[in-house]
Order: sequence, then C-alpha cells, then structure tokens
Amino acid sequence: GQQVQQSPASLVLQEGENAELQCNFSSTATQLQWFYQSPGGSLVSLLSNPSGTKHTGRLTSTTVTKERRSSLHISSSQTTDSGTYLCAPQTGGYKVVFGSGTRLLVSP
Amino acid sequence: EAAVTQSPRSKVAVTGGKVTLSCHQTNNHDYMYWYRQDTGHGLRLIHYSYVADSTEKGDIPDGYKASRPSQENFSLILELASLSQTAVYFCASSDRGESAETLYFGSGTRLTVL
Repeated sequence: GQQVQQSPASLVLQEGENAELQCNFSSTATQLQWFYQSPGGSLVSLLSNPSGTKHTGRLTSTTVTKERRSSLHISSSQTTDSGTYLCAPQTGGYKVVFGSGTRLLVSP
Repeated sequence: EAAVTQSPRSKVAVTGGKVTLSCHQTNNHDYMYWYRQDTGHGLRLIHYSYVADSTEKGDIPDGYKASRPSQENFSLILELASLSQTAVYFCASSDRGESAETLYFGSGTRLTVL
C-alpha cells in the first residue's frame, strides 16, 4: 500500500523564520492534501495540490507528481503556526493515506 | 461550512465490551472515512464508504466493523474492545472520490479501553 514519509519529524523556529516541510510517497497520487492539526487535536485542510505549485496566504505547496514528492513552505512563521502538519496523498479509488507529520514549534 | 459531528467526544470502555462510535455529516458528501490516531502518530485508515449500505476495508480493519445506514451517518463498531484500541478516532467526509478537493474532519472521539 501507499507509504508516506514526512521530514523533518520536528522543527523548532524563531518567529519570523521560514519553514520547509517535505513529503515523499511511494505510489502515484491523484490528489495531495496538506492538513494542520492543532495542539488541541482538531484537523483542518490547508490546501490541495496534486501537481505544480499552489499558494494560499503564507503557504506555498509544490508537488512533483512524477517524483512522488510534495513540499510545504511556510513563510514568516508565527507562534500560532505551531502544531503538526500532515501530508495526505490520495491513490486510485477513494483512499487517503496520511504521513506521521512534522511537529512545528514556533517560539516568540 | 461543511460539518461533521462525532459522538461521543470521549468514552471509557471495558475490555471485551461493545463500543459504537457515531458520525453524522450535513455536507451531502458521498464519501466517509474512519481513522484512528495513536499518540504521536499520523492517522491510519480503518474503514471507508462511498455509498450508503456499503463499506470498504481500509489499512487496519481488524477488530472493527463499520456501518453506513444512510448518506449522512457512518458508525464504527468495536464488538470486543481491546486495550490496543485505545486511541483517538476521527471521522471525515469528502465531496467526491478520486481527486477529492478536501476532507472535512469531525472533532474526534477519545476512546480509552480499560
């Protein structure tokens, strides 16, 4: 089945610094989503990006479909960005598989 | 705004007992999913469904059953709860199957099996 590797496992930044999160997956994906999980546990979708580059606010995602990888860039990090970022490729059919996530801590 | 509601928010169960987790969505979505999350880990797919009265096995279906009696409702059933099933369970829905625009998640159910 689909295997998803996210790196780094954890990241500590000073407020204002940029973050680069990586996601590699083993099988071709028809869709690729990035999610944010708050320290309290709630999950929200950040963006969907099956290929190419997509921007929303301070987030930029680049997915290279043929190489089965995606990245999420967070610019000018804020303390409220602290939490876990999950990559979720969707393979043929309806299955969405999640990576273990990158834990981000942004200190003031 | 899409809405997925899970109940209960938390539950303590005894080993060997039966547990039913419920999920209700008002999004008019065809696709629904059950995931579990263990402390410090990502989400793992248990069961999913793309139409009422039909369910599919995910990656870790053993020890779980699912039921989709209507488009809006999707339940996860633990017939004989075990200690290893202590986890947080998330339900989600999506607007279509392949290339789904996004998943909408419920708030989760924290299950503790003693």
